[in-house]
Amino acid sequence: AQSVAQPEDQVNVAEGNPLTVKCTYSVSGNPYLFWYVQYPNRGLQFLLKYITGDNLVKGSYGFEAEFNKSQTSFHLKKPSALVSDSALYFCAVRDTNAGKSTFGDGTTLTVKP
Amino acid sequence: GAGVSQSPSNKVTEKGKDVELRCDPISGHTALYWYRQSLGQGLEFLIYFQGNSAPDKSGLPSDRFSAERTGGSVSTLTIQRTQQEDSAVYLCASSSFLTGTIEAFFGQGTRLTVV
Repeated sequence: AQSVAQPEDQVNVAEGNPLTVKCTYSVSGNPYLFWYVQYPNRGLQFLLKYITGDNLVKGSYGFEAEFNKSQTSFHLKKPSALVSDSALYFCAVRDTNAGKSTFGDGTTLTVKP
Repeated sequence: GAGVSQSPSNKVTEKGKDVELRCDPISGHTALYWYRQSLGQGLEFLIYFQGNSAPDKSGLPSDRFSAERTGGSVSTLTIQRTQQEDSAVYLCASSSFLTGTIEAFFGQGTRLTVV
């Protein structure tokens, strides 16, 4: 079985400040981990993924995420938030032996000027 | 095609009618997924295809829901005798394990409203 938890429904940050969107996961085997972003009235867009190797992965639009196996976490980060980063963010996990990904409930990020 | 294409983009149907939702994945992608997103909710997995086979259909909510994929390409999700609780955005995604593109590419979704 696999599951994802995004403990915060909403994250608010000021423009220019660093942001973190939290994600923890559970899988029976080894994980593939993903972050997706959904802008209003648009489909989900892939941001970044962890497969293996370096625990810090970099993705689109200046986002990065750190895989922490001991804490089973994969938090999304950005050093300096932009108003245009405001969107709904989803974390997803897939066991390397599974076909489907399981998504978290999403976190709404609001960046205020 | 260049991206995952879903049709129709919007569908309003009367309770009790059948509907068909279509997904055209990225060319060459072997894996295809259907998810459902209700208003303000996360993504609910429905079914996964690898080629024309569906090794995981555990998310289909009831026997009113069915899906097929033909030619390893286009997929159709059919909902029979629609109910109001079926109202949601139905998302299709594809990926290709063969090329290492394990992330999912999503279509724009079909917004289904049952009245």
